[in-house]
Amino acid sequence: NAGVTQTPKFRVLKTGQSMTLLCAQDMNHEYMYWYRQDPGMGLRLIHYSVGEGTTAKGEVPDGYNVSRLKKQNFLLGLESAAPSQTSVYFCASSYSGSWNTEAFFGQGTRLTVV
Amino acid sequence: DQQVKQNSPSLSVQEGRISILNCDYTNSMFDYFLWYKKYPAEGPTFLISISSIKDKNEDGRFTVFLNKSAKHLSLHIVPSQPGDSAVYFCAARRYDMRFGAGTRLTVKP
Repeated sequence: NAGVTQTPKFRVLKTGQSMTLLCAQDMNHEYMYWYRQDPGMGLRLIHYSVGEGTTAKGEVPDGYNVSRLKKQNFLLGLESAAPSQTSVYFCASSYSGSWNTEAFFGQGTRLTVV
Repeated sequence: DQQVKQNSPSLSVQEGRISILNCDYTNSMFDYFLWYKKYPAEGPTFLISISSIKDKNEDGRFTVFLNKSAKHLSLHIVPSQPGDSAVYFCAARRYDMRFGAGTRLTVKP
């Protein structure tokens, strides 16, 4: 019973490098989210998706791109990493966005950009 | 703009006493509110929630109160236990889900 799985768990990037974070869920959820957590800032929404093939911007989308080609996967891309993107990234999923549903979170990806 | 605010970064209470964590929001379109608990090096886990059409929801030691006119919600933990020590996040949702900055609760034996 995997739930929400994030890959990788840790990564160190050099400034300017690119990478993709993978989120996979096995609960047949429609909604998926990417958050970043920084000290004193809580969890800030980067992008989210309300279904396969759809994505939308959250609070802090700049510098990130996402894709939802398959319902179970939500990819977060950094095209040119910057030190300001050093953070812990969390993916979450839920059945729907507007009624009586909680979101389930992955374990997080700790990304350091040097 | 921060639509969900938790103004107390930390709270310390004695074991057995009540813990009250507060949260304010600005967007009246939110229709569902949640509390999450987070331990270090783990993802947040769902604790309790409340719909915007209710003003109270209980689950064991945890009760969430919602005051829509004040755009305020609170989480009460009674009695508090040392295992409750964690960071608590308030969240509010419509189509996306916005979080507060979190409150670190420490329950002392």
